[in-house]
Amino acid sequence: AQTVTQSQPEMSVQEAETVTLSCTYDTSENNYYLFWYKQPPSRQMILVIRQEAYKQQNATENRFSVNFQKAAKSFSLKISDSQLGDTAMYFCAFMISGATNKLIFGTGTLLAVQP
Amino acid sequence: GAVVSQHPSWVICKSGTSVKIECRSLDFQATTMFWYRQFPKQSLMLMATSNEGSKATYEQGVEKDKFLINHASLTLSTLTVTSAHPEDSSFYICSAIKVAANTDTQYFGPGTRLTVL
Repeated sequence: AQTVTQSQPEMSVQEAETVTLSCTYDTSENNYYLFWYKQPPSRQMILVIRQEAYKQQNATENRFSVNFQKAAKSFSLKISDSQLGDTAMYFCAFMISGATNKLIFGTGTLLAVQP
Repeated sequence: GAVVSQHPSWVICKSGTSVKIECRSLDFQATTMFWYRQFPKQSLMLMATSNEGSKATYEQGVEKDKFLINHASLTLSTLTVTSAHPEDSSFYICSAIKVAANTDTQYFGPGTRLTVL
């Protein structure tokens, strides 16, 4: 069975600083996807970034980037130049490629960006 | 774009009544939709996978007779909570995957808050 672990229940960062959220996962599959979703107070789930396991290059989306370490089964999210609007719950998620498309979520990290 | 809507955004009902929640993909067709449940300060728990024109697949521990799912078209899935009880109070979220998309990305609706009195 696949599991996703987020070991940081809460994080805090000053505006304009950089923060890294941790995520590890466990799977015996070789082809899969990893995601970071953001859930602000509105509770709308928003896709932040996506990584295919077969790609060695780390995904980036503007201020958001990942450090994907396949051998270590680690998928951390780095947020640069943090903004107040980044305050949200962040969920790491895993999906097996070509299967049921089910997402397995971690327990989430609540990020607070301080002014 | 990939916009998913849910209706209603919130609902309050009496114990024993049934409530229907709609999930619509507004600007794309979705072969597969998912229904999640989220308790306060917790993660999303997958309830069922809904495929257009076929029966839904429920996760272990989810009562299919209590949570009825219908996926009648490529843009609409509904979740009906039958004979609702206070313990069914929760935040229900749907998501959808685009037909013939190159990615397996799920697009989420804004959620529906259900309160059962």
